[in-house]
This record gives sequence, C-alpha cells and structure tokens, in this order.
Amino acid sequence: GAGVSQSPSNKVTEKGKDVELRCDPISGHTALYWYRQSLGQGLEFLIYFQGNSAPDKSGLPSDRFSAERTGGSVSTLTIQRTQQEDSAVYLCASSSQGPNEKLFFGSGTQLSVL
Amino acid sequence: AQSVTQLGSHVSVSEGALVLLRCNYSSSVPPYLFWYVQYPNQGLQLLLKYTTGATLVKGINGFEAEFKKSETSFHLTKPSAHMSDAAEYFCAVSPAGGYQKVTFGTGTKLQVIP
Repeated sequence: GAGVSQSPSNKVTEKGKDVELRCDPISGHTALYWYRQSLGQGLEFLIYFQGNSAPDKSGLPSDRFSAERTGGSVSTLTIQRTQQEDSAVYLCASSSQGPNEKLFFGSGTQLSVL
Repeated sequence: AQSVTQLGSHVSVSEGALVLLRCNYSSSVPPYLFWYVQYPNQGLQLLLKYTTGATLVKGINGFEAEFKKSETSFHLTKPSAHMSDAAEYFCAVSPAGGYQKVTFGTGTKLQVIP
C-alpha cells in the first residue's frame, strides 16, 4: 500500500477483555515499530522488529502485551486482560533497512478501556 | 543505551517570533538524530535528521537543527513562527550504524499566539 495502515482506527473494550491491533507496513520495509502515545507521556517504545532478527521487546510494559510479525510483513499487537491504564493511541511505524532511514507512521489505533 | 530529553512539554511563542525547542540526548555511541512533527489529527512525519556530515541540518517548513556533540544537544529552531507551526514536536535518537531501535523524547507542544 501507499502508507502504513493500522486497524481498527478506534477500539472500545471492557476491562479484562483481550484486544488485537493490526499494522500493515509499507511493502518492502524490513523494520517495524510499535509505540504507545498517552496524554502527557509522549511516545513510548514498545517493540521493534528488524528483518529476521529476534525482536527487541524491551519496551513491553507487562507480560499482558505481546506482538508478532508474520512473514516479515503484517504485525499484530495483542493486549490480554486489558486494564484502564492501557487506554492510549497505539502507533505503528515502518522503515526501510537502516536506522538512519525515516520512519513512516500509521494513523494509530485509539484504544479505550472502560 | 540511549535516551532523549526534551525540555518543556509546552512552549508558547508569538507569531513571527523565534521558535526554539530543546533536545538533549544520551548515547553510548555516535548518534543519528531526528525531529518529527505531529500536526493536530495527523500522523507523525519526519521534519529533519542528522546522520553524518554537516552539523546544521535543514528541514521542511523553514526549520533547522544543529548537532552539538560537546553539548549533546540537537535543538530545533525556526526564525519566525507561523500559525501553521502549532503542533507537537518529537526529538529522537538511534545509534549510528547497525539496526537498533529509534528512541523518542516525550514531545513538546508548540502553541503559536497570534
């Protein structure tokens, strides 16, 4: 596609439910990031996939969070047993090889946990 | 390890005045440095980046930033603010070379007063 696509754009869920957020990166981009943007918290790194390397999961806030990237393309971020503090905008970004390449961001998924 | 500190979560300037958004970084290796901008209701986009070479880099919309190794800084400036510059600005760092993650600062919201 022309850009990074995220779905859904909005997700409202009840506390304790599981949610899956999807990211379709730009075709051919080997690097894929998930960030969380909360009011007053800036851009919080969650996880980073680079090619076939093991992902950098150092930013995942708890074991309720997990992510996978299938076939080096689409990625899914899963949050189990959601809590109200998980409410935020979840952003996906991709880039071509090399850390000096700019990141292309999706529009994000606004997650609201009631 | 790497980190970014942005001084001032909110900055207000008058239209036509100088814009100065501060960014200091910490990196154990030479850094690549970036400024991203997020306009209201839009996704993040790259404003400018420093990788190697000239330490003064120019970006879109009249913004520029100077890499100062001795001060570990990468402040963003624009000589004359325009109303359309109102947005949130994020400084980011990644290690030069290799394929390591990009780390963002907490962001600075710029308000332009008419």
